[in-house]
Amino acid sequence: LAKTTQPISMDSYEGQEVNITCSHNNIATNDYITWYQQFPSQGPRFIIQGYKTKVTNEVASLFIPADRKSSTLSLPRVSLSDTAVYYCLVGDMRTGFQKLVFGTGTRLLVSP
Amino acid sequence: DGGITQSPKYLFRKEGQNVTLSCEQNLNHDAMYWYRQDPGQGLRLIYYSQIVNDFQKGDIAEGYSVSREKKESFPLTVTSAQKNPTAFYLCASKGNRTTGELFFGEGSRLTVL
Repeated sequence: LAKTTQPISMDSYEGQEVNITCSHNNIATNDYITWYQQFPSQGPRFIIQGYKTKVTNEVASLFIPADRKSSTLSLPRVSLSDTAVYYCLVGDMRTGFQKLVFGTGTRLLVSP
Repeated sequence: DGGITQSPKYLFRKEGQNVTLSCEQNLNHDAMYWYRQDPGQGLRLIYYSQIVNDFQKGDIAEGYSVSREKKESFPLTVTSAQKNPTAFYLCASKGNRTTGELFFGEGSRLTVL
């Protein structure tokens, strides 16, 4: 599985757009990128998954360039409740995403 | 309501004792997972199971054991061989092979005294 690298922490203010980048230089052809959000003392929650270009849902967008060596999670107009840790994972579609390994994540702090 | 139930939520154990953490799901998911999380750290994969009666070691399986006798249940035993068992343990399940979407329980916090 490709190793992922994310910034340890980020700061933002309410109402701003936040972009969190994940590096996965050794991503394989059948790998997909998945992002999770975790609040303290809770299990992570799935946010979004993508393979290439752009994916958007009701809470976030995921941008993946053509070489797929990185991806960016975009959170529009963040609020205080978006303060959490965000994890980027790479999963192998051929195995049905059998083994899912979390990295260290990015701790996002949203201030008033 | 469908979901994943972990118990107990808090557990204290003396050194040298084995302890079993329960994980039950009623989502009819095939795959189940156990992760460990230490304070301020990410999640580390202990064991995972794709089907009943089959499971694989994750990255930190030493000192842990699991069983998967029923689709709904995936208990984790923390044995006395686990050198530093104090941690937050999270169980998850996944029902779709075309996605990496895991559904997590609320976690079990184990403290070794």
